[in-house]
Amino acid sequence: DAMVIQNPRYQVTQFGKPVTLSCSQTLNHNVMYWYQQKSSQAPKLLFHYYDKDFNNEADTPDNFQSRRPNTSFCFLDIRSPGLGDAAMYLCATSRGEAGGGYEQYFGPGTRLTVT
Amino acid sequence: AQKVTQAQTEISVVEKEDVTLDCVYETRDTTYYLFWYKQPPSGELVFLIRRNSFDEQNEISGRYSWNFQKSTSSFNFTITASQVVDSAVYFCALSEGSFNKFYFGSGTKLNVKP
Repeated sequence: DAMVIQNPRYQVTQFGKPVTLSCSQTLNHNVMYWYQQKSSQAPKLLFHYYDKDFNNEADTPDNFQSRRPNTSFCFLDIRSPGLGDAAMYLCATSRGEAGGGYEQYFGPGTRLTVT
Repeated sequence: AQKVTQAQTEISVVEKEDVTLDCVYETRDTTYYLFWYKQPPSGELVFLIRRNSFDEQNEISGRYSWNFQKSTSSFNFTITASQVVDSAVYFCALSEGSFNKFYFGSGTKLNVKP
């Protein structure tokens, strides 16, 4: 029944050690999003894919990269994690026809700890 | 300026009380969409409702109801006869323009005590 799956649910990495978070979906949605959410804050959009087109938010650090090899999968790469990157990372999907306004479906998130 | 304001940071109620979560939005678009999401302690955001700007009808789903008023740019959410399982952070979000970007409010944490 799971529609948006994120692995792992918990990830511990060392300061400066690259880490990859993964997201997969069974909804066949053409838009996938990555959000960062810190404690007691709203989710913050990092970037999104509209099909294969990658769209970065202006304030997303270069340290964050993403790959979408096919419709179902999307990866978030953090090249050199800093202590400030410790957060919950949420993947979401939605339909993407023109006009927008579609609900986004979220995965359970990956909680990243940086030591 | 924030596009979505949820002025209530945290609300505590006793089970069976009714509670209303406020959401005020700001947009210049005539076509826009409003959403409510629930985020329980487990972390996953759960979609509750979507409303477009042309549909001001209030909606009721079980114990949940939503009041959309364009005149006051508000989209408030009421839980009737609250239960402990309603304890969560609730986010209101706005989507405008041709891209499906969400502007989230800062969230309201609801504590329902037995």
